[in-house]
Amino acid sequence: RKEVEQDPGPFNVPEGATVAFNCTYSNSASQSFFWYRQDCRKEPKLLMSVYSSGNEDGRFTAQLNRASQYISLLIRDSKLSDSATYLCVVNRGGGFKTIFGAGTRLFVKA
Amino acid sequence: NAGVMQNPRHLVRRRGQEARLRCSPMKGHSHVYWYRQLPEEGLKFMVYLQKENIIDESGMPKERFSAEFPKEGPSILRIQQVVRGDSAAYFCASSPQQGNPGNEKLFFGSGTQLSVL
Repeated sequence: RKEVEQDPGPFNVPEGATVAFNCTYSNSASQSFFWYRQDCRKEPKLLMSVYSSGNEDGRFTAQLNRASQYISLLIRDSKLSDSATYLCVVNRGGGFKTIFGAGTRLFVKA
Repeated sequence: NAGVMQNPRHLVRRRGQEARLRCSPMKGHSHVYWYRQLPEEGLKFMVYLQKENIIDESGMPKERFSAEFPKEGPSILRIQQVVRGDSAAYFCASSPQQGNPGNEKLFFGSGTQLSVL
């Protein structure tokens, strides 16, 4: 089993739609959680950190459920520019390496 | 404050040659990661280094590939006797000293696109 697993893609949604991505992690000792975004042929960029209480940044909301070892990302009012691959990222601290999920591709269509 | 710098952006090699990819982490960052990405595929972890130490090289092929992060200078990913299957984008990322939650955020360079003819 992979240490970080994400929804298989791609997701094809119309502009204005709400879309949610899920991610599960296998190591209960994981401490830090992030969502990254990667555009085609570009480097991944940090989208947002994920906090235990859940957090929001504009149209983006991230949730963490430690009991279920589950992270989610919700995008409201999708824009064409949201089309990208979204990467779930986990780290258990203590000097262990950061783990990336395989990514979920999103296509937002006009 | 410059970001993570990778060079060259594009590197063309013939089969059997050596490829050297360089990565200068962000100022103050002491941890470096190397990833490989094939077209239409996800990031594949290769190696995780701290200054003068390899912390985790579980993703690195046992032969032809090596990485270092010396006390002075950039991190180097070296691929000897390249083959066509080595053609890919190689991304480097750096992070601050580990240990504190939140310090594990990675900042990526723009990558080196290696093409093997």
